[in-house]
Formats: sequence, C-alpha cells, structure tokens
Amino acid sequence: NAGVTQTPKFQVLKTGQSMTLQCAQDMNHNSMYWYRQDPGMGLRLIYYSASEGTTDKGEVPNGYNVSRLNKREFSLRLESAAPSQTSVYFCASSEQTGLNQPQHFGDGTRLSIL
Amino acid sequence: AQSVTQLGSHVSVSEGALVLLRCNYSSSVPPYLFWYVQYPNQGLQLLLKYTSAATLVKGINGFEAEFKKSETSFHLTKPSAHMSDAAEYFCAVSDRQAGTALIFGKGTTLSVSS
Repeated sequence: NAGVTQTPKFQVLKTGQSMTLQCAQDMNHNSMYWYRQDPGMGLRLIYYSASEGTTDKGEVPNGYNVSRLNKREFSLRLESAAPSQTSVYFCASSEQTGLNQPQHFGDGTRLSIL
Repeated sequence: AQSVTQLGSHVSVSEGALVLLRCNYSSSVPPYLFWYVQYPNQGLQLLLKYTSAATLVKGINGFEAEFKKSETSFHLTKPSAHMSDAAEYFCAVSDRQAGTALIFGKGTTLSVSS
C-alpha cells in the first residue's frame, strides 16, 4: 500500500551541487506534481505533468527541471543548488485530469542547501 | 486569478471544544475546494472536498465543511476536538490554469490542550 514514494527523505547539499529528487506512484495515476513547502507560505507548485509525456511549469519553476520518465515516475532536478531552494519538497499524483480530483501526496524530501 | 486565504495561522482549543478553521476563496467561477491535513513530518492527507454536489461536506475524522457562496467561504469544523487533531490544516482550490494542480492557503496550525 505504498501510494506515492519519494526518495531521498533527507538531503544536505552544498551550493552549486546538483541532485535529482525521485518520485514514484503505484496507483496508475495519470497526473503528477511537484510542490515546495516553506514556513508560512503553504505549498507552491513547481512543475506538473498532466499525463505521460507532458510537463508544464507551475508558479515557481526557476532553478528546477523535471522528467516524466514513465507513467509511474516523475523526477525533479536541481542543476545548481542555491540556499533559496532549501525547502520541503512534495510529490503528488491524481487519477486523471479534472478539477475535482483529489491529490495523493508523498511524505516529502527535506532538502537543505548550505 | 484564483486564491484562498486562511484566517489565523495558529488556532488553539481545549480538548472537547469546537474546532473552527477559516478559509475564504477568490474565484470568478464555481470553485472546487479541498481541505488537507498534515501531521508532523508527513505528507498531506485529504480531509474532504467540495465539488458542488452538496454545500455541507463531511470528511474523515469527524470533520465537515460548509460551502457558502454568498460569503465565499469554506470553513472547516469539528464539534469536539481530540488531542490527535493537532496538526497543520490547508485549504486549497483547483487551479483551472494548471491542469488539476492545487493553489494552497498558507495553512493553520491547530493546537489541542488537555
């Protein structure tokens, strides 16, 4: 009963380093999302993938890239990490496109950039 | 642009007291609204959603919310708080311009004292 699985759970990087956050869902969902959560800011959308083979920018895409590897997996890459990217990152998925579809969230990746 | 505003970043109640968490939305079209709960170091879990079928929506763990179009509100209530309700709560609206992505409020932390 995994749902949405994110790896790693914690990571510390130095400024300028790169890394990829992994996300996989086992619910056969079509749509996937990446959010970041900062204190007092709620969650903000970074990128999303409405379906396999498509990706689009969200509210805060600068400094990030994404890959929808297949229907199950949606990765987020930081090419050159900056302290401003210190945050908790959440991956989510939903069954299909449609405004009434709830999203299912992973447990998050806590990322610190020094 | 759509948005949600959560009034009060922190709400404190006694065990057994009424819980009221406030959410107001801004939308020029009928919105799809959600309430999520986040326990410490976990992802977000869906409490309930409004999709226009009924104005009073019942969710999990005894929570419910009432959609009031005249007040543009979707407040979350629970008649009797339990210690296990202590968490952060987020109101969200579907973003019609970003597939099925969600626009989140900044969150309200609920504390429950014995």
